[in-house]
Amino acid sequence: DIQMTQSPSSLSASVGDRVTISCRASQSISNSLNWYQQKSGKTPKLLIYGASNLQSGVPSRFSGSGSGTDFTLTITSLQPEDFATYFCQQSYYIPRTFGLGTKVEIK
Amino acid sequence: QVQLQESGPGLVKPSETLSLTCTVSNVSVSSGSYYWTWIRQAPGKGLEWIGYVYNRGSTNYNPSLKSRLTISVDTSKNQFSLKLASVTAADTAVYFCVRDYWSSLPPQFDYWGQGILVTVSS
Repeated sequence: DIQMTQSPSSLSASVGDRVTISCRASQSISNSLNWYQQKSGKTPKLLIYGASNLQSGVPSRFSGSGSGTDFTLTITSLQPEDFATYFCQQSYYIPRTFGLGTKVEIK
Repeated sequence: QVQLQESGPGLVKPSETLSLTCTVSNVSVSSGSYYWTWIRQAPGKGLEWIGYVYNRGSTNYNPSLKSRLTISVDTSKNQFSLKLASVTAADTAVYFCVRDYWSSLPPQFDYWGQGILVTVSS
């Protein structure tokens, strides 16, 4: 199975901060990398698909980049509603696999 | 708007079979463009892909669960189902039914059910 390693596992940030979350695949997955946001007790929400494509309705302060094995999710100017856990997920291979998540907390 | 809704018992006894159904609205489960998928999340943990059914009955399962798992589809009701046998406390989780839009290359999980908590306990 492809292992997805996210870092950091958690971070504290303030409203208005720029936040960067990394995700590394154990082998190349081309651009088959998706990012999801999950708020406490809620369903995961697709933010970014294909490494850099913004899902419809997602604010433009979210962006993704990378290919191969290394990927990044960036949130420019963090908003109060962005405090959540973020998961990366590879869709190149079966079984689909997820990172363990990055919890973004209020500083 | 595509909608998915899980249903089934919230409490299952150890060694018994966990059975869940996902009712899909506004898209046909017969469509070959999607994998109809189950994902679970143990309390406080990450997301685990369980497996999928597609194209009226073909399946693919997580190897770690394969020996206990059956995923099937009922096109007449526009539903798909999960059966997980011989459950233990480790199977306690929120179970999500999800659409894997595999034909939108690269694939993505674009629609999720709200999730159902299943607790394994005597």
